[in-house]
Amino acid sequence: ILNVEQSPQSLHVQEGDSTNFTCSFPSSNFYALHWYRWETAKSPEALFVMTLNGDEKKKGRISATLNTKEGYSYLYIKGSQPEDSATYLCALGGADGLTFGKGTHLIIQP
Amino acid sequence: DAGVTQSPTHLIKTRGQQVTLRCSPKSGHDTVSWYQQALGQGPQFIFQYYEEEERQRGNFPDRFSGHQFPNYSSELNVNALLLGDSALYLCASSLGRGLWAFFGQGTRLTVV
Repeated sequence: ILNVEQSPQSLHVQEGDSTNFTCSFPSSNFYALHWYRWETAKSPEALFVMTLNGDEKKKGRISATLNTKEGYSYLYIKGSQPEDSATYLCALGGADGLTFGKGTHLIIQP
Repeated sequence: DAGVTQSPTHLIKTRGQQVTLRCSPKSGHDTVSWYQQALGQGPQFIFQYYEEEERQRGNFPDRFSGHQFPNYSSELNVNALLLGDSALYLCASSLGRGLWAFFGQGTRLTVV
């Protein structure tokens, strides 16, 4: 059974500041790690799919890294903007579909 | 492209009743997965349908069943509803065993 932990549970960041949060997992028995952004009243939006140890992805001001040996992934947001306010979900893709963490709720304060 | 669409958006049912939720996948996708998100939790995998058959199943009782139609749309059925079935039900579609899954906005089910 895959177990996904995300921290922190919530985060308040000043507009313009950079931030990061963590997804940790004790087992590397999965084929991909997914990051989703979920804005209120919208669908979860896929940000990244990462498959290899040492994988790094970037999309504009958002980037992510994956370290399967030590069991974590970081999501970084550079120069936070109000539109970055959302819940960020991490999920492991395995035999039982996607196993999600509880998410990090990010609030950008102007 | 309409993306993944789910209906209805909200639903209130009474304990013991049965409910059917519907999902239309993103254009070109043939695989549909269903997830349950209870309050304060991450989404939990219920099952996945491909080629009109259940391909994978999570840890949910038999009261949860599904169906996939030839046009790849899908239904989730829940029988003998319990208060604990109150949750947001999300549908996700993908192409085969592709890595990218696209989600709908969900159906909010309240059991009273």
